[in-house]
Amino acid sequence: DGGITQSPKYLFRKEGQNVTLSCEQNLNHDAMYWYRQDPGQGLRLIYYSQIVNDFQKGDIAEGYSVSREKKESFPLTVTSAQKNPTAFYLCASSRQGRDYGYTFGSGTRLTVV
Amino acid sequence: DQQVKQNSPSLSVQEGRISILNCDYTNSMFDYFLWYKKYPAEGPTFLISISSIKDKNEDGRFTVFLNKSAKHLSLHIVPSQPGDSAVYFCAAREYDYKLSFGAGTTVTVRA
Repeated sequence: DGGITQSPKYLFRKEGQNVTLSCEQNLNHDAMYWYRQDPGQGLRLIYYSQIVNDFQKGDIAEGYSVSREKKESFPLTVTSAQKNPTAFYLCASSRQGRDYGYTFGSGTRLTVV
Repeated sequence: DQQVKQNSPSLSVQEGRISILNCDYTNSMFDYFLWYKKYPAEGPTFLISISSIKDKNEDGRFTVFLNKSAKHLSLHIVPSQPGDSAVYFCAAREYDYKLSFGAGTTVTVRA
């Protein structure tokens, strides 16, 4: 079955530490995205990538970094510069073209302790 | 500045009745609109979409209406079922494929 896998499902991080969230898809989608969900604020775009070795900042990229070395993988690093990292993180992928929606992963809940 | 707005954070409806969820947008360049459904601690799943060249799209119990002049779309669920209790996100797409999401509406279907 094709799909998009995020790991881990729950992650705890100490303040001042960097942490990397994994996102892998086997849907052969070109584009991949990272969103953050906070209560009452919907989904906000962190970074997106439309092709391997290229990515763009979204609306809230500060304190985050990404890489896109393979089509299947789009890991997100939450750095110590991110002031409020506790949130639910969602990865998504899509085909190129405007008439396609996203396929989402099941999310990673990050908690800073 | 949020370009997609869902002004009702919650909606409670009796089982069997109609649920109407509303969404407004400000960017006239949006030309493709989607609704997603989300359960707690899970990723959103695609529900239904509509292109800006249409004003209505139907899929089973779900119908989306688009009013371009008012920059407004709505999702109708008829009849509402207990399994429809979830958070519903409205989303809109511009030329570069990325989606802008609303804040979501939590639907509770009462037995």
